[in-house]
Amino acid sequence: KAGVTQTPRYLIKTRGQQVTLSCSPISGHRSVSWYQQTPGQGLQFLFEYFSETQRNKGNFPGRFSGRQFSNSRSEMNVSTLELGDSALYLCASSLGGGFSYEQYFGPGTRLTVT
Amino acid sequence: AQKVTQAQTEISVVEKEDVTLDCVYETRDTTYYLFWYKQPPSGELVFLIRRNSFDEQNEISGRYSWNFQKSTSSFNFTITASQVVDSAVYFCALSEANTGNQFYFGTGTSLTVIP
Repeated sequence: KAGVTQTPRYLIKTRGQQVTLSCSPISGHRSVSWYQQTPGQGLQFLFEYFSETQRNKGNFPGRFSGRQFSNSRSEMNVSTLELGDSALYLCASSLGGGFSYEQYFGPGTRLTVT
Repeated sequence: AQKVTQAQTEISVVEKEDVTLDCVYETRDTTYYLFWYKQPPSGELVFLIRRNSFDEQNEISGRYSWNFQKSTSSFNFTITASQVVDSAVYFCALSEANTGNQFYFGTGTSLTVIP
């Protein structure tokens, strides 16, 4: 089975712009979660989608949003980019939506905001 | 408050030495899961193990072993006879019944195995 894929892998944006990141989960997985990884804050949970519904959201401003499509693919959007949004954005998929399922991570999208 | 603490920021060992990575967690839930992930330089987090709160049996998988002790809220990870390929950042994570699919990650331990 193919793993979690994320596109693009690298992105450079300017402050104030917006960006959309894409994630394709492992086939059959219905839950997709997004995390932000930075050297200072580590891995922080952004949100989780299951069957096209956002079920859980971390402590991030409303500039961070996402959605999930009927094929379980997910997109994450960040509007009005700030320098502090520079990070590795990781997508993870799991078979089910419960807390007991291990999550499988993609390679991440490295976002640099200048 | 940090739910998962990995006090060791960086560890260096010489190849073939054993090394233990510490993980201490904090939760009020009686039902929870603990995980370990490996993040090699390529950046992709690799799932290593999952353990639920009702199963305190230690687990061994090849050179890897895990020690779960609820009494001390710890879930430590030991690599026996370390190899250069073990060099990576290792993360411990917690998920709770009350917070669904959200994982709480520790800050990670960077392990360097010196040949």
